[in-house]
Amino acid sequence: AQSVAQPEDQVNVAEGNPLTVKCTYSVSGNPYLFWYVQYPNRGLQFLLKYITGDNLVKGSYGFEAEFNKSQTSFHLKKPSALVSDSALYFCAVRDGDTGGFKTIFGAGTRLFVKA
Amino acid sequence: NAGVTQTPKFHILKIGQSMTLQCTQDMNHNYMYWYRQDPGMGLKLIYYSVGAGITDKGEVPNGYNVSRSTTEDFPLRLELAAPSQTSVYFCASRFGGGQETQYFGPGTRLLVL
Repeated sequence: AQSVAQPEDQVNVAEGNPLTVKCTYSVSGNPYLFWYVQYPNRGLQFLLKYITGDNLVKGSYGFEAEFNKSQTSFHLKKPSALVSDSALYFCAVRDGDTGGFKTIFGAGTRLFVKA
Repeated sequence: NAGVTQTPKFHILKIGQSMTLQCTQDMNHNYMYWYRQDPGMGLKLIYYSVGAGITDKGEVPNGYNVSRSTTEDFPLRLELAAPSQTSVYFCASRFGGGQETQYFGPGTRLLVL
């Protein structure tokens, strides 16, 4: 069975500082990993994904994530946070080998960026 | 392209009533999904479809039904609504063939009283 964990309910960071939102996953096959962002009263928007290839994945709005197979992690990062980055972030995983068509989402991490 | 559209945006339903949440996409996506979002619980998959005429259960299908008669539409039916179905419902779609990115609708907020 596939699962994903976001250990932090909330992350607080000052504007201009680097940010990290953590994600760990569990799958039996090859992991397909995703980050989505949700702004208030909106649907989720795709940020980036790892399917194969380079472990460092770059996405929208200056975000990036690093796939670490040994630690089964896919942490989201940004070198310099903006107030407008404040939102709810979801990590998601699909088992590329055995997971069928189901993508499992984490509980979400709320990011607050203070000016 | 309008993308993924959902109606209604908000609805109050009485216990025991039934209703249909509408979802339409104009991107010719094969795969469509219904999720519910509860506070602190992330998104839970209710049902999904890999093409017209083909649907399957997700993680939390009880109390819901779906149909997929066309590529564009994927309605979610609630029968005998219960307070536990109070939630925000999101529809999503994507291409098949290795295109993994899901596109989400704006959501339907449902209150069952």
